[in-house]
Amino acid sequence: DAGVIQSPRHEVTEMGQEVTLRCKPISGHDYLFWYRQTMMRGLELLIYFNNNVPIDDSGMPEDRFSAKMPNASFSTLKIQPSEPRDSAVYFCASRQGARGYTFGSGTRLTVV
Amino acid sequence: AQSVTQPDIHITVSEGASLELRCNYSYGATPYLFWYVQSPGQGLQLLLKYFSGDTLVQGIKGFEAEFKRSQSSFNLRKPSVHWSDAAEYFCAVGRTDRGSTLGRLYFGRGTQLTVWP
Repeated sequence: DAGVIQSPRHEVTEMGQEVTLRCKPISGHDYLFWYRQTMMRGLELLIYFNNNVPIDDSGMPEDRFSAKMPNASFSTLKIQPSEPRDSAVYFCASRQGARGYTFGSGTRLTVV
Repeated sequence: AQSVTQPDIHITVSEGASLELRCNYSYGATPYLFWYVQSPGQGLQLLLKYFSGDTLVQGIKGFEAEFKRSQSSFNLRKPSVHWSDAAEYFCAVGRTDRGSTLGRLYFGRGTQLTVWP
């Protein structure tokens, strides 16, 4: 099993640009989570999906953030336009049933 | 509201010494509890989890944790720390959705572990 796969691993972009982060969950997992990690706020849940349907997006900071899960094997988190305060590590995680959550290696986003 | 508190931001121990990392949670129902470890530049790796049953849970890498409902605690322990255990440790509580399905996780702020040789 390849685990949860995130791309890119690192992203450096200029303020105002659109950024798209990608996640491939573990096959068969029916929950997918997007978390953001910063020194100031720790690990924050942004949004999560169950069977490709968004369940809770209350953690999405602003309308600049959007997430989609068009099918069971792919999800995107988009920031448009990006701002320096969006700089963080973004993690995707997936889960199936009563098992523990499996996290990807994260995408380190730097907005300059 | 659910919350997780890890009172110790940073702990330093000598290699071979015992370790206990504290975690307290606030949750109205039966909690699902987790400990994760994060090495620099890496994602979070599951050490162990508690869903029900025996309150002493064994995990990977020689770690264990004990659920104490009366103290709302889920402390992580290891009898003898290795230099490779230096990392950041996160406690988390899982909330159930729609009555029974495990949904989102709430994380503590983490405890950074330094191991002296």
